Amino acid sequence: DTGVSQNPRHKITKRGQNVTFRCDPISEHNRLYWYRQTLGQGPEFLTYFQNEAQLEKSRLLSDRFSAERPKGSFSTLEIQRTEQGDSAMYLCASSQGQGVTEAFFGQGTRLTVV
Amino acid sequence: AQSVSQHNHHVILSEAASLELGCNYSYGGTVNLFWYVQYPGQHLQLLLKYFSGDPLVKGIKGFEAEFIKSKFSFNLRKPSVQWSDTAEYFCAVNGLGNEKLTFGTGTRLTIIP
Repeated sequence: DTGVSQNPRHKITKRGQNVTFRCDPISEHNRLYWYRQTLGQGPEFLTYFQNEAQLEKSRLLSDRFSAERPKGSFSTLEIQRTEQGDSAMYLCASSQGQGVTEAFFGQGTRLTVV
Repeated sequence: AQSVSQHNHHVILSEAASLELGCNYSYGGTVNLFWYVQYPGQHLQLLLKYFSGDPLVKGIKGFEAEFIKSKFSFNLRKPSVQWSDTAEYFCAVNGLGNEKLTFGTGTRLTIIP
């Protein structure tokens, strides 16, 4: 499968614990996005990388959240001191090119904070 | 700020019925428009997109959408739905040069055999 890959698919954690998710984009895609989707809502933008540079961050991304994309390949999203409100599906997407492009989404990581 | 409204939260149709799902957006400049579909247990997939040119765009699986600039709308249509079209449908927009996609809340479509 050469699509966007996310691991783990499911994560259950206790409140206050740290969690880290990984996203492997489609090979050679230079843009990588993180979105969050809660029940009954559409995906909401969190942050975006072009190669290794993080170019935009949403106000939804509190200081407990950090994302990295070392070497411009895979990306990690870490949530520190998780709260119940962090429970959601975390989606990763990637795209290629400049200007008008389309994003390809992974299957997401479902986080449940208990 | 850009926003997207999908007024139909849950639509139930019988097979062979015609479908139209509404999408209205708010943005003060040139936009790119998308419809994504999420089948049960699967990832978001692109159905169709509008960047420029002919405002009537055709996508996969017999879907089409029409961009009406004066109405800020990008409604999704299909003349005859199938049971396999049961899914959640999301309209999305991004402003030209802006990499952030803004999604609507989605419409759940249930097709009754």
